[in-house]
Amino acid sequence: AQSVTQLDSQVPVFEEAPVELRCNYSSSVSVYLFWYVQYPNQGLQLLLKYLSGSTLVKGINGFEAEFNKSQTSFHLRKPSVHISDTAEYFCAVKKAGNMLTFGGGTRLMVKP
Amino acid sequence: ETGVTQSPTHLIKTRGQQVTLRCSSQSGHNTVSWYQQALGQGPQFIFQYYREEENGRGNFPPRFSGLQFPNYSSELNVNALELDDSALYLCASSPQYRGNTEAFFGQGTRLTVV
Repeated sequence: AQSVTQLDSQVPVFEEAPVELRCNYSSSVSVYLFWYVQYPNQGLQLLLKYLSGSTLVKGINGFEAEFNKSQTSFHLRKPSVHISDTAEYFCAVKKAGNMLTFGGGTRLMVKP
Repeated sequence: ETGVTQSPTHLIKTRGQQVTLRCSSQSGHNTVSWYQQALGQGPQFIFQYYREEENGRGNFPPRFSGLQFPNYSSELNVNALELDDSALYLCASSPQYRGNTEAFFGQGTRLTVV
């Protein structure tokens, strides 16, 4: 069985500051890794994905994430956040088929 | 190209009733998955449909059932509603049922059971 742990339930940060949202996963086999963002009262939007190849992946809205196989981590980063980045962020893994296993989410709160 | 659309957006039902939620997949996508997202939690996989057959199921009781139609749209049916069924139900479509394909999510249906 696989599981996903998002280590911080809430991350407050000031506007224009850098941010890192942490994600660790457990799986005995290779997985595909994803970060999704959810704005209030909306569905999930894909930020970025790691399928294979370069361990540093870039996504939309200036976000990037680094896959670390030895530490089974896939942390999300942004060098300078905006008020509009305030949202819930979900890390997810996929093994076989299309079933996604999500973490509990991290609420990013950007303050002016 | 239209995205994933779900209906209705909000729904209030009474405990013990039955509910049907609908999802139209993105054009060209033949796989539909359903997720339940309780308040303050991450989405939980309910089941997946590929070519009108269920081909994966999460830890949900049989009163959660579904259908996929020839046009790849889908329904989620929940019988004998319980208060704990109150959640956001998300539908996601993918261009194939396995591999490194991403899932595209709809806006969700907010179900409240009273």
